[in-house]
Amino acid sequence: GAVVSQHPSRVICKSGTSVKIECRSLDFQATTMFWYRQFPKKSLMLMATSNEGSKATYEQGVEKDKFLINHASLTLSTLTVTSAHPEDSSFYICSARSLTSGSGEQYFGPGTRLTVT
Amino acid sequence: AQSVAQPEDQVNVAEGNPLTVKCTYSVSGNPYLFWYVQYPNRGLQFLLKYITGDNLVKGSYGFEAEFNKSQTSFHLKKPSALVSDSALYFCAVRDNTGFQKLVFGTGTRLLVSP
Repeated sequence: GAVVSQHPSRVICKSGTSVKIECRSLDFQATTMFWYRQFPKKSLMLMATSNEGSKATYEQGVEKDKFLINHASLTLSTLTVTSAHPEDSSFYICSARSLTSGSGEQYFGPGTRLTVT
Repeated sequence: AQSVAQPEDQVNVAEGNPLTVKCTYSVSGNPYLFWYVQYPNRGLQFLLKYITGDNLVKGSYGFEAEFNKSQTSFHLKKPSALVSDSALYFCAVRDNTGFQKLVFGTGTRLLVSP
């Protein structure tokens, strides 16, 4: 149980285009999903927290107009990197927290490797 | 604010030997502590958590962690390391406010040699 998927696993796009990454909780309902960015050999940087049906809460320094987050249902959140630039190249990981998780435990997706050329 | 520190960038251990990956924390209120493991180009996998109860927590793949309140530590341990344990390990603490996000340490790379 508690499986989170991400699609695509790897994407290459041209500078100036937009890319959408999907995060799905496959066997549980997630009130809250989190989006992280991980640089090589670095820890995870929380970008934003999304709750189903409401606007995402962005961490300080993260551009909300550049990283659009939509949490349309209890099993799906999307991250759209708009007008991507090479510096947006990174490993993006989502996580989901179950409705029933009192401890705050998060389940992570396998990540999406974005390369902007 | 909640924080965790992983003082070692890398831990090297020979296969069959015991391993310890260190983590110390700083929280206001009761600590909710977690260990995750990450293999190359993959997401994080949950290993174990401490919420309350016994200070020794057993988790996946033979890992365990010892909660020490006086030392504010939550070190990850395994009695006998495997080469396949080589990975990046993250300690995390739950923020007890707002969305209860997880605050991660900087990660420790574990390298188990044959």
